Amino acid sequence: DIQMTQSPSSLSASVGDRVTITCQASQDISNYLNWYQQKPGKAPKLLIYDASNLETGVPSRFSGSGSGTDFTFTISSLQPEDIATYYCQQYDNLPPGGTFGQGTKLEIK
Amino acid sequence: EVQLVESGGGLVQPGRSLRLSCAASGFTFDDYAMHWVRQAPGKGLEWVSGISWNSGSIGYADSVKGRFTISRDNAKNSLYLQMNSLRAEDTALYYCARWGGYAVVSWGQGTLVTVSS
Repeated sequence: DIQMTQSPSSLSASVGDRVTITCQASQDISNYLNWYQQKPGKAPKLLIYDASNLETGVPSRFSGSGSGTDFTFTISSLQPEDIATYYCQQYDNLPPGGTFGQGTKLEIK
Repeated sequence: EVQLVESGGGLVQPGRSLRLSCAASGFTFDDYAMHWVRQAPGKGLEWVSGISWNSGSIGYADSVKGRFTISRDNAKNSLYLQMNSLRAEDTALYYCARWGGYAVVSWGQGTLVTVSS
């Protein structure tokens, strides 16, 4: 199985800050990398797919980049409603698979 | 409106079996691959298993391989997860998830499985 190493595990930042989370794959996964946001008590929500594509309806302050083994997720200007846990996920379609990173809990300073 | 409704969770003793179901509506079920994702209490997301639209391709996480079996019935718009030889570490909220070809695009509300004696 491909392993996904996400860092940091937690992060405290102020409103308006630029926030960056990284995800590293144990082998080349091309751009098959997604980012999700999960708020307490809720199901996750897709934000970024295929490393850098913004899901419809997601604010443009969210972005993603990277390919191969190293990926970055960025919030350009942190808003109070962005408090959540963020997960990266690598995926395959044949066979279906989708390992998640360990998650990054984002808090307001 | 897309709806995914899981059922079948509950309290079960270690070593026993449980079958989860997911009833899908609001979309053409057999157009989509489907997955199960779980989340242990206070922990992160763990992908469990996925199945292609026609059941022709199936994948499992190493942690459940040989114990869990995913299946689907397109005529009934339903997804299943047969869980055998359950362990305490299988305790989690199990989500049914619709795969949009590139990511999970819809989630159910989850069904809680607790493995304990």
